[in-house]
Amino acid sequence: AQSVTQLDSHVSVSEGTPVLLRCNYSSSYSPSLFWYVQHPNKGLQLLLKYTSAATLVKGINGFEAEFKKSETSFHLTKPSAHMSDAAEYFCVYMDSNYQLIWGAGTKLIIKP
Amino acid sequence: KAGVTQTPRYLIKTRGQQVTLSCSPISGHRSVSWYQQTPGQGLQFLFEYFSETQRNKGNFPGRFSGRQFSNSRSEMNVSTLELGDSALYLCASSIGGQNNQPQHFGDGTRLSIL
Repeated sequence: AQSVTQLDSHVSVSEGTPVLLRCNYSSSYSPSLFWYVQHPNKGLQLLLKYTSAATLVKGINGFEAEFKKSETSFHLTKPSAHMSDAAEYFCVYMDSNYQLIWGAGTKLIIKP
Repeated sequence: KAGVTQTPRYLIKTRGQQVTLSCSPISGHRSVSWYQQTPGQGLQFLFEYFSETQRNKGNFPGRFSGRQFSNSRSEMNVSTLELGDSALYLCASSIGGQNNQPQHFGDGTRLSIL
């Protein structure tokens, strides 16, 4: 069965340092993958999507993610964290029936 | 283009009552999905509507129901409210059909049960 694992429930970084949020998926199909962000008391906003084109995907707000088939990973990165990046991030896998499978989320904490 | 609009933003009800939440999708989007989000259970899929038909359903009791209108607007109804129904209810729309287009979310309705 397909699944999505976000390896860290919380990640804490200092402002101005790099961000790495890890996501692994389990599937025998070529997936579509997404990252969403949710700020407190808000809905989810699409950060970026991978749909079998370029393996390095650039998203909004300086985020990017690299699809690595050999590692079944789709980690989210940003070179320099801002206070406004504090939020919860969700990795999402779309299966061959176009159903979404959600990761449990990673809370990103930014220290001043 | 206007985003997904959910009304109301906040709602307070008591146990045993029923509630109806509304979602207006992005213009041109035909698929509407509903999710329940709680601190303990995370994001859970309720159901998806496409062209006025329920296409997929999550693992929720029959107290949770929905419908979609010909203009793609959707409503979700919860009857006989329980304390555990307190949650953020999120609606998402997408173009629909068999494709890998992402969902776009509204800001949610925060439902509190007293």
